[in-house]
Amino acid sequence: ETGVTQTPRHLVMGMTNKKSLKCEQHLGHNAMYWYKQSAKKPLELMFVYNFKEQTENNSVPSRFSPECPNSSHLFLHLHTLQPEDSALYLCASSQEGLPIGAQYFGPGTRLLVL
Amino acid sequence: AQTVTQSQPEMSVQEAETVTLSCTYDTSESDYYLFWYKQPPSRQMILVIRQEAYKQQNATENRFSVNFQKAAKSFSLKISDSQLGDAAMYFCAYRSAKSEKLVFGKGTKLTVNP
Repeated sequence: ETGVTQTPRHLVMGMTNKKSLKCEQHLGHNAMYWYKQSAKKPLELMFVYNFKEQTENNSVPSRFSPECPNSSHLFLHLHTLQPEDSALYLCASSQEGLPIGAQYFGPGTRLLVL
Repeated sequence: AQTVTQSQPEMSVQEAETVTLSCTYDTSESDYYLFWYKQPPSRQMILVIRQEAYKQQNATENRFSVNFQKAAKSFSLKISDSQLGDAAMYFCAYRSAKSEKLVFGKGTKLTVNP
């Protein structure tokens, strides 16, 4: 499955580090999403970008900063994270319009904050 | 707020047999979409099946089919002729036609025994 790619696949960072997660979709979609997946919790939507405009910020702390330079690329900039931010971060994309299609996911970035 | 409930944290099935995973959801809306996603140990979230609420016909994709009961707000997934490769976490998800937000259940871990 190469429609949505994410780099890096694994990341270990200290609480004072700054790092970025990258997502790229090759499906021609116009919407992109960031999700957080923690153990024993449902997937949590973090951000939505529709036609490069942020349309949803699901009460995410400011230490997570998204960027969407175009409809194919999405970044998640990380700074001064906490250990409880350790999780799998999933990117997804979809074609918005009617009828509503499915979201297609990337393989995720496994983040460990020390 | 919409919620999705998967009451079976774990299920197991013998290879070649049939298994049904349950999902219920809560919404006051009439126009929405339902999805089943599969997440194997490799972590990539893969779309299994999609159902439009205004369509009474149950969606099918090869060995996967759903039993959509709109009045009961139930959306179960049936896997026929189970294969070892079907072993994964299965997530039920809901999306309103008015929102980009995909609401996930906590998942059901399916084990396929040879």
